[in-house]
Amino acid sequence: GESVGLHLPTLSVQEGDNSIINCAYSNSASDYFIWYKQESGKGPQFIIDIRSNMDKRQGQRVTVLLNKTVKHLSLQIAATQPGDSAVYFCAEASLYGQNFVFGPGTRLSVLP
Amino acid sequence: ETGVTQTPRHLVMGMTNKKSLKCEQHLGHNAMYWYKQSAKKPLELMFVYNFKEQTENNSVPSRFSPECPNSSHLFLHLHTLQPEDSALYLCASSHEPRTGQRTGELFFGEGSRLTVL
Repeated sequence: GESVGLHLPTLSVQEGDNSIINCAYSNSASDYFIWYKQESGKGPQFIIDIRSNMDKRQGQRVTVLLNKTVKHLSLQIAATQPGDSAVYFCAEASLYGQNFVFGPGTRLSVLP
Repeated sequence: ETGVTQTPRHLVMGMTNKKSLKCEQHLGHNAMYWYKQSAKKPLELMFVYNFKEQTENNSVPSRFSPECPNSSHLFLHLHTLQPEDSALYLCASSHEPRTGQRTGELFFGEGSRLTVL
């Protein structure tokens, strides 16, 4: 399930630090956004989602921020752990549609 | 486990072969999807099935042929593929309401890694 060969942006953080992964989306009509995590050898796993009527949503150790004005989405991971090392994808969609459009992904590397 | 099972996990085939990828979901969802993840592009939607009916064909070449016999099973039949078709093929499922807003996300399988020689 790895994105082998993709020249992905890479974010390296020290274990215990906070991580911020950014995503720009393209369709101003999108009103549903999701972050997925893809570990090596696995398929994408759901992390957190947010609807366009919200600016912020929190989960366990993760926070998603949505700025509709500039079409920007971010994922914040608190106290990053080695198990957080993976490729992270954002996806945009309509609440009434099924065409999920995925971003290119960001590779997060957690340094010991 | 995500509840979406794909087989085989790895497949190597020649350009003249015919093979099939299989996906089964155990989540009671009514929509299933095929996505392609290649080394050069982000996840690309290929096909969508709602309640066993194909609702999206994202300009996919005819050498890829989907089949959805019921809401739990999805196949991708492959024939006369090209080396550039080598990629990870991901199946996903979701619950889609007949009317109104969606209630959740896509659930992905682990993927089938295809290599075309």
